[in-house]
Amino acid sequence: DTAVSQTPKYLVTQMGNDKSIKCEQNLGHDTMYWYKQDSKKFLKIMFSYNNKELIINETVPNRFSPKSPDKAHLNLHINSLELGDSAVYFCASSHALIDRGKETQYFGPGTRLLVL
Amino acid sequence: AQSVTQLDSHVSVSEGTPVLLRCNYSSSYSPSLFWYVQHPNKGLQLLLKYTSAATLVKGINGFEAEFKKSETSFHLTKPSAHMSDAAEYFCVVSEGLTGGGNKLTFGTGTQLKVEL
Repeated sequence: DTAVSQTPKYLVTQMGNDKSIKCEQNLGHDTMYWYKQDSKKFLKIMFSYNNKELIINETVPNRFSPKSPDKAHLNLHINSLELGDSAVYFCASSHALIDRGKETQYFGPGTRLLVL
Repeated sequence: AQSVTQLDSHVSVSEGTPVLLRCNYSSSYSPSLFWYVQHPNKGLQLLLKYTSAATLVKGINGFEAEFKKSETSFHLTKPSAHMSDAAEYFCVVSEGLTGGGNKLTFGTGTQLKVEL
């Protein structure tokens, strides 16, 4: 069974379109995250949710809107896609407060987004 | 703010020879440090983590890392490289979040190449 899964795996779309990426975890974790990996492989956190509440929003444009319908899901909706949004987006999950600051984050396989 | 610096963007070794991937950290308090590996077109997998217990940390696939406070370093080593070790390696520092979970700050990555 896949621990953290993302759909779709690949996404090719035109500038100006709106798209969503879905993430699900079956690890029983309370906290979920979205990361962006750019073309130079640099990884940066975008959002963090704990038990459906937003914890971190790392100065991400408001065209990006995360939504957490329940603890096991964190979806990412992107409006008015721009060329610079082309990247790999990773979802991750972890326990919340069992071992503060030391929790292992488990990553999904990534969604490769290409905006044309 | 916490940060990590990976000193080499590319490392090339021959199969069967030792691997050394270097990482220095900056933190105002005792950090939690991780090494993650990313194989081509895959997600990230935890290799090992340091959380203020033993300074020599053993991970998966024969990797280990030593936390040296005096040198602010957390270098990753392996006695004998295997072809399957070819991948991108990330040194990561973690910060606990009040609302739950932790914020990971990634280094810029080291690409390990293993030659026959």
